Amino acid sequence: EPEVTQTPSHQVTQMGQEVILRCVPISNHLYFYWYRQILGQKVEFLVSFYNNEISEKSEIFDDQFSVERPDGSNFTLKIRSTKLEDSAMYFCASNTGTPSYNEQFFGPGTRLTVL
Amino acid sequence: GESVGLHLPTLSVQEGDNSIINCAYSNSASDYFIWYKQESGKGPQFIIDIRSNMDKRQGQRVTVLLNKTVKHLSLQIAATQPGDSAVYFCAENIYTGQFYFGTGTSLTVIP
Repeated sequence: EPEVTQTPSHQVTQMGQEVILRCVPISNHLYFYWYRQILGQKVEFLVSFYNNEISEKSEIFDDQFSVERPDGSNFTLKIRSTKLEDSAMYFCASNTGTPSYNEQFFGPGTRLTVL
Repeated sequence: GESVGLHLPTLSVQEGDNSIINCAYSNSASDYFIWYKQESGKGPQFIIDIRSNMDKRQGQRVTVLLNKTVKHLSLQIAATQPGDSAVYFCAENIYTGQFYFGTGTSLTVIP
């Protein structure tokens, strides 16, 4: 069964460093998303991406964040200068059709720890 | 902004019993809702969805009920099994790609 994959599973970085989180969405999917989940808190939407551009972004997704689909398979989230409060699980998701009324498939997540 | 909340943060049920997990949402414009299951160390997993033009939808062992009058959503799990132990989130959407998640209810199934 096709699945969303994410690498690395755990990333440890120093505050102020740049990190890139990688995702490989399901191959025939067209819409891609990043969410984060701070430990013990709810899942929060960061950004959606379609047709090589950002469709929507939340207040969390400020200038320190960027997304890219550098090739036909990868979808990346970059945090330019990490802060302690960026420590969280980051989930990538994808789906086939219109954003609503359509199941989003989530990856297993990348745990980001900022020291 | 929109908010989605859960009434019960924890729920324990005996194996074989039925479980009911509740969710309140605040935005009456929300038109699509999803229940997710999240097991420890894993990403959210889709369980069942419902559109605002429906008030009930059934899946395999699961039923979602939507009451738009009081902005309430519930997930019913029939014959709960140990493998159902997880955190359950509801999420709402207003015809965009942005879903708003609740904080989750932790379901523990007692063998």
